Amino acid sequence: EVQLVESGGGLVKPGGSLRLSCAASGFNFNTYSMNWVRQAPGKGLEWVSFISSSSTYTHYGDSVKGRFTISRDNAKNSLYLQMNSLRAEDTAVYHCVRDDSVWWGDILTGYYVHWFDPWGQGTLVTVSS
Amino acid sequence: DIQMTQSPSSLSASVGDRVTITCRASQGIRNDLGWYQQKPGKAPKHLIYAASTLQSGVPSRFSGSGSGTEFTLTISSLQPEDFATYYCLQHNSYPRTFGQGTKVEIK
Repeated sequence: EVQLVESGGGLVKPGGSLRLSCAASGFNFNTYSMNWVRQAPGKGLEWVSFISSSSTYTHYGDSVKGRFTISRDNAKNSLYLQMNSLRAEDTAVYHCVRDDSVWWGDILTGYYVHWFDPWGQGTLVTVSS
Repeated sequence: DIQMTQSPSSLSASVGDRVTITCRASQGIRNDLGWYQQKPGKAPKHLIYAASTLQSGVPSRFSGSGSGTEFTLTISSLQPEDFATYYCLQHNSYPRTFGQGTKVEIK
């Protein structure tokens, strides 16, 4: 069974740091790109960050750029999110999400289409004094 | 950044109703759009990729359509287990962006 289990959430003061982990199982972790997506209490979903399968490429949302760092350890089937300079508005449930894709169209003009599946249950980060 | 405008933000419907949710992208995104369902206290569940392809195991009453900037999710006959919040997500470029969500409630 494909499974993603997050850990590392908790209560932290503004300006503090926290490191989230995501343990992956049931699939070849080293062949998939991964993402973090968060959801503030009572709010919608917000994409946070992406990392390619071999860590060559990373992307970040504007609200976390320069403060958060995504990384992975393929030998340990683990994904991480280092969060620094935390703010009250970073309070959210953070989900680890696998990035899946398939080639769409013919070999000359086709492209990859992507989707997020599965999602971990999430870990709650609360930033408050 | 690509903005995704989802409507309506909420709707009330009865079991058996046909329901349509719309997402509009601020620029063309081909068919790089997915739909996700979230129930309270649960992680989102993937329903549709490439705008119209049903994920394995998703009931056929769900369908998606559209390309470019206009997309729709349709539930042909609403079932009790379909009451949830639905989100669109563009996978065309970074940063990835979600629609604001549509909460489907029981009338």
